[in-house]
Amino acid sequence: DAGVIQSPRHEVTEMGQEVTLRCKPISGHDYLFWYRQTMMRGLELLIYFNNNVPIDDSGMPEDRFSAKMPNASFSTLKIQPSEPRDSAVYFCASSSVGETQYFGPGTRLLVL
Amino acid sequence: GNSVTQMEGPVTLSEEAFLTINCTYTATGYPSLFWYVQYPGEGLQLLLKATKADDKGSNKGFEATYRKETTSFHLEKGSVQVSDSAVYFCALSTNFGNEKLTFGTGTRLTIIP
Repeated sequence: DAGVIQSPRHEVTEMGQEVTLRCKPISGHDYLFWYRQTMMRGLELLIYFNNNVPIDDSGMPEDRFSAKMPNASFSTLKIQPSEPRDSAVYFCASSSVGETQYFGPGTRLLVL
Repeated sequence: GNSVTQMEGPVTLSEEAFLTINCTYTATGYPSLFWYVQYPGEGLQLLLKATKADDKGSNKGFEATYRKETTSFHLEKGSVQVSDSAVYFCALSTNFGNEKLTFGTGTRLTIIP
């Protein structure tokens, strides 16, 4: 298996622009997680899905952030409008029942 | 709530030195415990895990024992290599693998030849 795939790997944008991060989980996994990593706050869980349904979005920082999972093989995390403080590395992870989470390589986002 | 307290870094050791990275936790119920490793420019990889008290997780020469009485899960390796240079994260989950992983702040380890 190719593992969890994330795109783009790097994104540079200007404040106010919309940013869309993409994730393809490992085939057969029914849980998908979005994390954010910053120097100040470490690793934070933003939201996770089970069978494409959002289960816990309490980590989503504010209404500018939204996540969707239209099918079992694709999820997006959208920031609109983006702000400099959103600059971070965003990770997607997936797992199946009773198994550990496998992380993607991350998307490094810089908002100028 | 759940929390993980991890040894502050960075840690710098010489090759072949003994490594210990301390990790203690607070959790409701009986958590599963994990160590993840992050190499430069990459995502996190599971290094080892333990799902109940007194279990020992091991992988690539690293070991950690789930100590319920001291709520600890310290990571150890007898002889580190330059290739072990990375950031190490201790984490817990109260529903093995499928709910929120609560992470420690990470410990950056650098091994010098």
